[in-house]
Amino acid sequence: LAKTTQPISMDSYEGQEVNITCSHNNIATNDYITWYQQFPSQGPRFIIQGYKTKVTNEVASLFIPADRKSSTLSLPRVSLSDTAVYYCLARWGGFQKLVFGTGTRLLVSP
Amino acid sequence: SAVISQKPSRDICQRGTSLTIQCQVDSQVTMMFWYRQQPGQSLTLIATANQGSEATYESGFVIDKFPISRPNLTFSTLTVSNMSPEDSSIYLCSAEDGDRGYDSGNTIYFGEGSWLTVV
Repeated sequence: LAKTTQPISMDSYEGQEVNITCSHNNIATNDYITWYQQFPSQGPRFIIQGYKTKVTNEVASLFIPADRKSSTLSLPRVSLSDTAVYYCLARWGGFQKLVFGTGTRLLVSP
Repeated sequence: SAVISQKPSRDICQRGTSLTIQCQVDSQVTMMFWYRQQPGQSLTLIATANQGSEATYESGFVIDKFPISRPNLTFSTLTVSNMSPEDSSIYLCSAEDGDRGYDSGNTIYFGEGSWLTVV
């Protein structure tokens, strides 16, 4: 049975680097892993997407090991406004089902 | 990136009634999806809205309860039928941006959601 799991919550302080890991067994060979940020009463907002190794954009980095059974979202120097829930999204096996992670609630404190 | 608009953004509905949520994308997209997100929970896929054919529903969701339309490549509707308080949730429309297929790196974007409260 496919599962996409994340830590339930994480705490950090302003200026620190935060790494959130998602485990996704049975991910399809060619599918990408996508991470989203969600604030209360809003839809998920796209952060970053990758297939393998490392991807970096202006807000985050995404690390994906060779076996692709996990991925790590890295947020450099977080601020208070980064307090949100972060979700990973992966496609499950050959059934083309989009499976969201359980979500990680990040709290950034001053 | 695709811009997705949903209506209504919020509504309070009477038990036993039905409500249709509209989703408009600012560009033509092949794949559109409907999700439900209950308070404090992750997103659960309801169905994939296919243009020109019936929607594909996930386990636990049926067409009679959640009929979906997809008349063209930019628009879809989700109806929540015969609502009960258990249907109180956020309903999210999403679309796959690009025409290469998800396994080629297309990105899935979301609307802001429709927050339904059933009383």
